[in-house]
Amino acid sequence: DAKTTQPNSMESNEEEPVHLPCNHSTISGTDYIHWYRQLPSQGPEYVIHGLTSNVNNRMASLAIAEDRKSSTLILHRATLRDAAVYYCILRDRGRDDKIIFGKGTRLHILP
Amino acid sequence: DGGITQSPKYLFRKEGQNVTLSCEQNLNHDAMYWYRQDPGQGLRLIYYSQIVNDFQKGDIAEGYSVSREKKESFPLTVTSAQKNPTAFYLCASSIFSGQGTDTQYFGPGTRLTVL
Repeated sequence: DAKTTQPNSMESNEEEPVHLPCNHSTISGTDYIHWYRQLPSQGPEYVIHGLTSNVNNRMASLAIAEDRKSSTLILHRATLRDAAVYYCILRDRGRDDKIIFGKGTRLHILP
Repeated sequence: DGGITQSPKYLFRKEGQNVTLSCEQNLNHDAMYWYRQDPGQGLRLIYYSQIVNDFQKGDIAEGYSVSREKKESFPLTVTSAQKNPTAFYLCASSIFSGQGTDTQYFGPGTRLTVL
């Protein structure tokens, strides 16, 4: 399975945008890029996913590099409730739908 | 409300005892999953099931067993053979399209402590 690389932790100020990077240099042409986040003592929750084009939803935006070897999750205006561990995951079309979670990036929001 | 329930939230067990963790979903999802999370770590897949009466081992299945007799239920038994069972256990479910786009929905988790 293709793997992802994320920074262990990041800090951001409240009400400012946050850019969370993810490298996936061995991504295949059929891999979707998914992001989940996990708030303290809770199960992960889905944030966003994409294949080639940038994606937006009510929670965040996903910017995908043209060569697809990296992507960035963008939180447009961070709040204290966005403090969580963010996981960048690759999922292949046609595979058995397992999700492989790495350690993710722990995002700290400073008031 | 549709969702996934796990019970109990906290569970204590004596060393050498088997214990069963409950997971129920009313989302009509075909696929269900069990993950284990240790402090400061990501999630690791224990078992998953894509259809009733069928399940597959994940990356760390040793010392665990599951059953899938009903679509909505996927209980996990932590046996005495599991050497380090103290962890946070998470259950998830999803539709199964094989398209790489399916979202997994997670329960609130069960924190198991072996005394």
